[in-house]
Amino acid sequence: NAGVTQTPKFRVLKTGQSMTLLCAQDMNHEYMYWYRQDPGMGLRLIHYSVGEGTTAKGEVPDGYNVSRLKKQNFLLGLESAAPSQTSVYFCASSYYDSFSSYNEQFFGPGTRLTVL
Amino acid sequence: AQSVTQLGSHVSVSEGALVLLRCNYSSSVPPYLFWYVQYPNQGLQLLLKYTSAATLVKGINGFEAEFKKSETSFHLTKPSAHMSDAAEYFCAVSPLPYNNNDMRFGAGTRLTVKP
Repeated sequence: NAGVTQTPKFRVLKTGQSMTLLCAQDMNHEYMYWYRQDPGMGLRLIHYSVGEGTTAKGEVPDGYNVSRLKKQNFLLGLESAAPSQTSVYFCASSYYDSFSSYNEQFFGPGTRLTVL
Repeated sequence: AQSVTQLGSHVSVSEGALVLLRCNYSSSVPPYLFWYVQYPNQGLQLLLKYTSAATLVKGINGFEAEFKKSETSFHLTKPSAHMSDAAEYFCAVSPLPYNNNDMRFGAGTRLTVKP
C-alpha cells in the first residue's frame, strides 16, 4: 500500500494564480483532511470530508476550496493564490469506526507551496 | 476550546542523554492527548496517545508520556536519546467525545541529537 500520497511535492506560484493539490489514499478510509503547517503554529485544519461527495470547513478555510468526487481522492484548490498561503500542506485520512473512541489519522508527506 | 503549548521550540541533547519535551494543555472537558513525530520531508506519524486509560503511556521507539491532570501536562520522555530521534515533535489535544476535526496541534519542538 502507498498509504497517503500528495501531488505535487513542491510548487511556486505567483500572486493571483490558481492551482489544485491532489491527495490520494488507498486504505479505503472514509475521512480525509487538509492541513496547513506554518512555522511556530503547528498544523491547522483547512477543510475535511467525512465521505464521498461531502466536505466541511475546518479552522482556517478562507481562500481554499475542496472537492471529494471519489472516495480515494481529496482535492484542495486555491483560486487566487496570496503570499499568506505560502505554507506546507498536509493531507491525512482516517477510517470510521462507530465502536471506537479514537480513529488514527495517517498523513501524507506534504506539499511545499510558495506564493510570490 | 482546547489548546496546547509546547515549551521550547528547539531542544538539543547528547546521544544517550535523557529526552524531555514539554507539553501543557488547556481543555474545558476531559481531553485526549497525542504526540506526533515528523521526520524530515515526511508527514506526521503517531508516537503515542492518551485516551483516559493508564496515565503513563508508552509509545513507539522507546518514548513515553505521563498525563498529569493536576499540572495539565503531557510531557514526552525517552531515557536515552539516539541519533535517529532527531525530528520535530508535535503535541496535540482533542476534546471528548473524540473527533479528528477538533484536534489542535502545538507549534512543535525540534529535537537535535548531538553525537
